Amino acid sequence: AAGVIQSPRHLIKEKRETATLKCYPIPRHDTVYWYQQGPGQDPQFLISFYEKMQSDKGSIPDRFSAQQFSDYHSELNMSSLELGDSALYFCASSPRQGLTTGNTIYFGEGSWLTVV
Amino acid sequence: QKEVEQNSGPLSVPEGAIASLNCTYSDRGSQSFFWYRQYSGKSPELIMSIYSNGDKEDGRFTAQLNKASQYVSLLIRDSQPSDSATYLCAVNPREYGNKLVFGAGTILRVKS
Repeated sequence: AAGVIQSPRHLIKEKRETATLKCYPIPRHDTVYWYQQGPGQDPQFLISFYEKMQSDKGSIPDRFSAQQFSDYHSELNMSSLELGDSALYFCASSPRQGLTTGNTIYFGEGSWLTVV
Repeated sequence: QKEVEQNSGPLSVPEGAIASLNCTYSDRGSQSFFWYRQYSGKSPELIMSIYSNGDKEDGRFTAQLNKASQYVSLLIRDSQPSDSATYLCAVNPREYGNKLVFGAGTILRVKS
């Protein structure tokens, strides 16, 4: 079965640079979520989109922005990168209305961002 | 107090034994509960979901939910070394809409 596709899988950036992560949800999933997981930490919710509109916002820094496009893929843009942004970034997707109808969230393999 | 609490472990069990993982949550109105398995450096993989009180079995895994006690658990029967991973409890608190709040995870080590 098709899964959530993320790219790039690994990314190295210098401080103050900009990075963009891409996410392609499972076919027919129209809700996309972004999570950040630091070393030894649990995944922290950043932001989610449903039908190309932001649906929930978590602990996403103002330096980060995200959007969902007409084909339902999503991009997370991170600017003025800091050392503390080094983490594994997961994208996840779920069917329409996600958890409220008993569906669940499926995660991509993640994108490793290292800021040096 | 965190919204989802788990014992960080590590929980060590011998191969073939039952591993019992526990999770408590703070929002009494939570509706959806999930267990994810995560290997180091990999993405969380859904193991079980449970929505109503009682037990739900799937192969070697059994999820148990007690909403009155705000408690959800995962039992792994006939534990295998390949079960060694971090197990994340995730809850959809009512007020959070479509997002999951994760516990810190319990490290499980199955020794052969």
